[in-house]
Amino acid sequence: KNEVEQSPQNLTAQEGEFITINCSYSVGISALHWLQQHPGGGIVSLFMLSSGKKKHGRLIATINIQEKHSSLHITASHPRDSAVYICAVAPGNQFYFGTGTSLTVIP
Amino acid sequence: DVKVTQSSRYLVKRTGEKVFLECVQDMDHENMFWYRQDPGLGLRLIYFSYDVKMKEKGDIPEGYSVSREKKERFSLILESASTNQTSMYLCASRGQTNYGYTFGSGTRLTVV
Repeated sequence: KNEVEQSPQNLTAQEGEFITINCSYSVGISALHWLQQHPGGGIVSLFMLSSGKKKHGRLIATINIQEKHSSLHITASHPRDSAVYICAVAPGNQFYFGTGTSLTVIP
Repeated sequence: DVKVTQSSRYLVKRTGEKVFLECVQDMDHENMFWYRQDPGLGLRLIYFSYDVKMKEKGDIPEGYSVSREKKERFSLILESASTNQTSMYLCASRGQTNYGYTFGSGTRLTVV
């Protein structure tokens, strides 16, 4: 079962490029999260969205509830943005996760 | 600074050993979760607990058990470790709302 689909799976960008990662989901949700995982394992939460758009520094997350779609944008990408980005949705108490997008930003 | 702490970052165990992975949170969260993460498969839920002494099976509970004797601690137990349990294990906790979902830094377990 794939309640959450992310694209692309892998992404390589040159430093400074604008990056978009997409997430589509098939279940009704109360919230969607974007997570970041650096090499070594630990996961941090970047955004929690239930509608509209949020911005934090160079990161922007949008969600369209009707279309069941969310995007994570990174402006002026930097090598330190290299990580796996994971979309997660919460229909209830449990979370469903996408398989992640591995981003590499080359200097 | 709120935390979910996993006791080990790296573990190497032998096939057949009983393995304990410990997770402690300091946020007074009711809900705690154990996931494993494998390449191409993403995060898969093993077990979760919504209260002390309560537990629920996730998607892949076979070969695992859990213990939650105190609110802050959620232990994952591999009764008899096998090589297919080599993986990254992540603990998470969350309060009663949809906010504050916090992950630990992960334990990379290798079973040889």
